Amino acid sequence: QSVLTQPPSVSGAPGQKVTISCTGSGSNIGTGYDVFWYQQLPGSAPRLLIYANKNRPSGVPDRFSGFRSGASASLAITALQAEDEAVYYCQSYDNSLSAWLFGGGTELTVL
Amino acid sequence: QVQLQESGPGLVRPSETLSLTCSVSGGSVNIGSYYWSWIRQPPGKGLEWIGYVYFSGSTNYNPSLESRVTISLDTSKNQFSLRLTSVTAADTAVYYCAREGPIGLDSWGQGTRVNVSS
Repeated sequence: QSVLTQPPSVSGAPGQKVTISCTGSGSNIGTGYDVFWYQQLPGSAPRLLIYANKNRPSGVPDRFSGFRSGASASLAITALQAEDEAVYYCQSYDNSLSAWLFGGGTELTVL
Repeated sequence: QVQLQESGPGLVRPSETLSLTCSVSGGSVNIGSYYWSWIRQPPGKGLEWIGYVYFSGSTNYNPSLESRVTISLDTSKNQFSLRLTSVTAADTAVYYCAREGPIGLDSWGQGTRVNVSS
């Protein structure tokens, strides 16, 4: 059980929107630590998708957006495409564990 | 654009030491603003942060692994390394090296699979 909780799976049809949640606590997201999101395509290394809660690195399509509120964060993907099928991980720092943490990952299926 | 490449043995015996190296090209490990990191992923599971080394040589480790981990920098070779002692089957994973900068883990190696088995 990860300290940062993500749903194991989400799905959506091409063109639709999906949202992936990341729920933390007062020792990580809730205390103001930034949230990062990574995309891991099958058989590949993770790739940075969102940094500092809501910012996209260059090259990441604006279909991907991030949001943080309180002790939770979310990643939204609009206009779903087949190439978005991947596992998505959130990351934040936890000051009680003194460690960077990853969520358990959410597998996105494009129907 | 910086590129990272892991190298090391794919098989380690239980109770022995796992040693991996990450070679960095397209950028120097000897500059500030970046932390040179190791992350691992057990088969079929999620990501686990192991720790990092800064250009100054200072380190920070996951407390769950701290007693067994050493991450070090070799600026002459533009590399950094991971040592994990007293390994068990639970240490079987794909090990990734990565660069952590102001925007997070923005560059990753392709990963190297390490199996702990006798």
